[in-house]
Amino acid sequence: DAKTTQPTSMDCAEGRAANLPCNHSTISGNEYVYWYRQIHSQGPQYIIHGLKNNETNEMASLIITEDRKSSTLILPHATLRDTAVYYCIVRNSGGGADGLTFGKGTHLIIQP
Amino acid sequence: EAGVAQSPRYKIIEKRQSVAFWCNPISGHATLYWYQQILGQGPKLLIQFQNNGVVDDSQLPKDRFSAERLKGVDSTLKIQPAKLEDSAVYLCASSLVQRGGLGTQYFGPGTRLLVL
Repeated sequence: DAKTTQPTSMDCAEGRAANLPCNHSTISGNEYVYWYRQIHSQGPQYIIHGLKNNETNEMASLIITEDRKSSTLILPHATLRDTAVYYCIVRNSGGGADGLTFGKGTHLIIQP
Repeated sequence: EAGVAQSPRYKIIEKRQSVAFWCNPISGHATLYWYQQILGQGPKLLIQFQNNGVVDDSQLPKDRFSAERLKGVDSTLKIQPAKLEDSAVYLCASSLVQRGGLGTQYFGPGTRLLVL
């Protein structure tokens, strides 16, 4: 699976949009971009995933650049409960062993 | 729908003792994973099961760690004997999609192990 690079930490004001970047310059054509988050003392929680097109669900939006070398997770109206570590993960769709490879993620702190 | 259940939530043992963790996946999920998360790091995959067969155990320290999923549902992860560096959170996850496709993994709350 391709390696990802994320900032170590970010701050965002409550009620504003939180934009979390991720670089995955070595991503290959059959690899998806997944985002998970982990709130303190909880297990990771799935947020969203995409291949080429931008995606939106009830939690967030995912913007993938045209060359697929980077992406941005957008939390449109951040709340204090969104404070967590956010992981950007690239997954191969080729089948077989498909355990997630987590990096250190971005610690997002929502400020009141 | 009930989530992934794990027990115990916390465990404190002394080094060289043995310990076991239990996981009950979401009903109908064929794939089950165990991850180890050391403080300050992201989770690391230890083992993946498809029904009751092992798909990937390449990162499992087999000299002291073992895992089983005998009936293809619940799973146990055992450490014997424990070392200080095994202090971590042990996370169980499950997914619906069979091997060969991508499935969303749903995680349990984890078991926090402290080895003294």
